[in-house]
Amino acid sequence: KAGVTQTPRYLIKTRGQQVTLSCSPISGHRSVSWYQQTPGQGLQFLFEYFSETQRNKGNFPGRFSGRQFSNSRSEMNVSTLELGDSALYLCASSLGVIGDYGYTFGSGTRLTVV
Amino acid sequence: AQRVTQPEKLLSVFKGAPVELKCNYSYSGSPELFWYVQYSRQRLQLLLRHISRESIKGFTADLNKGETSFHLKKPFAQEEDSAMYYCALTATSGSRLTFGEGTQLTVNP
Repeated sequence: KAGVTQTPRYLIKTRGQQVTLSCSPISGHRSVSWYQQTPGQGLQFLFEYFSETQRNKGNFPGRFSGRQFSNSRSEMNVSTLELGDSALYLCASSLGVIGDYGYTFGSGTRLTVV
Repeated sequence: AQRVTQPEKLLSVFKGAPVELKCNYSYSGSPELFWYVQYSRQRLQLLLRHISRESIKGFTADLNKGETSFHLKKPFAQEEDSAMYYCALTATSGSRLTFGEGTQLTVNP
């Protein structure tokens, strides 16, 4: 079966712009989470959605937002981009409770802010 | 607060030697612990979960609640084990993972 699909794979944006990243989870997975990966901070949790509801949010500014659709696909939006937002953004989906099933990760979207 | 510490950023061993990647955690409740692996140019993938007590690719990890550790071990390292390894924690029924900084393992021929 298809894995977690993230689009686009690469993005280059200018400071001040906004960006939308997309994630399609594994079929049947209702939990979708987003992580930011940088060399300096490692993997940091952004937010998690389950059945279109945000269940958990990490310690990121309000410029970072997300949503989940009825088909479990999720989007993440970053407004007013800053240079420090350059990172690999990973989406992960889970069948249910993470402790029981773990995550399946996508390949990520590499965002570069110039 | 949840915290995961992997004290070694880099670890280098020779093929056939035993390997241990250290992971210590801080969490007041009862955690669920994982090891994830990222091979070169591949996506992050689940290696094993403590709840399943399984051995994957010869790796095992034992949860030691007294020492709050979840070290990853393999008795005989292979070159294909070279990768970045991340230890991660979530609360029981939790919906977020807290990752350690990762350990880059290199297995030399």
